[in-house]
Amino acid sequence: QLQLQESGSGLVKPSQTLSLTCAVSGGSISSGGYSWSWIRQPPGKGLEWIGYIYHSGSTYYNPSLKSRVTISVDRSKNQFSLKLSSVTAADTAVYYCARAVVVVAAFDYWGQGTLVTVSS
Amino acid sequence: QSALTQPASVSGSPGQSITISCTGTSSDVGGYNYVSWYQQHPGKAPKLMIYEVSNRPSGVPDRFSGSKSGNTASLTISGLQAEDEADYYCSSYTSSSTPQVFGGGTKLTVL
Repeated sequence: QLQLQESGSGLVKPSQTLSLTCAVSGGSISSGGYSWSWIRQPPGKGLEWIGYIYHSGSTYYNPSLKSRVTISVDRSKNQFSLKLSSVTAADTAVYYCARAVVVVAAFDYWGQGTLVTVSS
Repeated sequence: QSALTQPASVSGSPGQSITISCTGTSSDVGGYNYVSWYQQHPGKAPKLMIYEVSNRPSGVPDRFSGSKSGNTASLTISGLQAEDEADYYCSSYTSSSTPQVFGGGTKLTVL
């Protein structure tokens, strides 16, 4: 059974960089046919796709966040990471990592989510 | 503002059926059969309920069904149960600048 687990700082100061890691267990992040995404959900609001990285290493980002987002993969540790720079209070959200099956464009496995608060 | 439009809330009594709509454009819902639906209970991660418009992952009850007509996709839950009370989100592949978009979510209340 595939499992995803987010980790990282739960409190980030405004203008600093948010950094999160998603550890994948029960399967290889290098397996073909999947993309690995970050999705966030501000308190009381809906889901927002941030971006994803393919098993090949190619990345795609939400244009609204593209200038501030970097998603990378560490195959040796079977994990992928999110960096979001120049954060503001609007970036306060629960951040989820998720796997998508590319051919059906659906997220079949999700992490439990981690709350990141941007505050001084 | 979300790319896909869902009603903010729907409700139904146990045993009844409800339908949640998800309206997009020809660049997303109407143009591709890559609509998926997610169930989210409070404080929990979303769970995939439907993919490719009408397919159910293993383990999802057949009370959940999906369909699409034009630019609008729908999720129908028949034989409502108390445990179905949750938020539901649709998502679609899109040919616009962002390849994946979500709806704003619908809160289902089981009366």
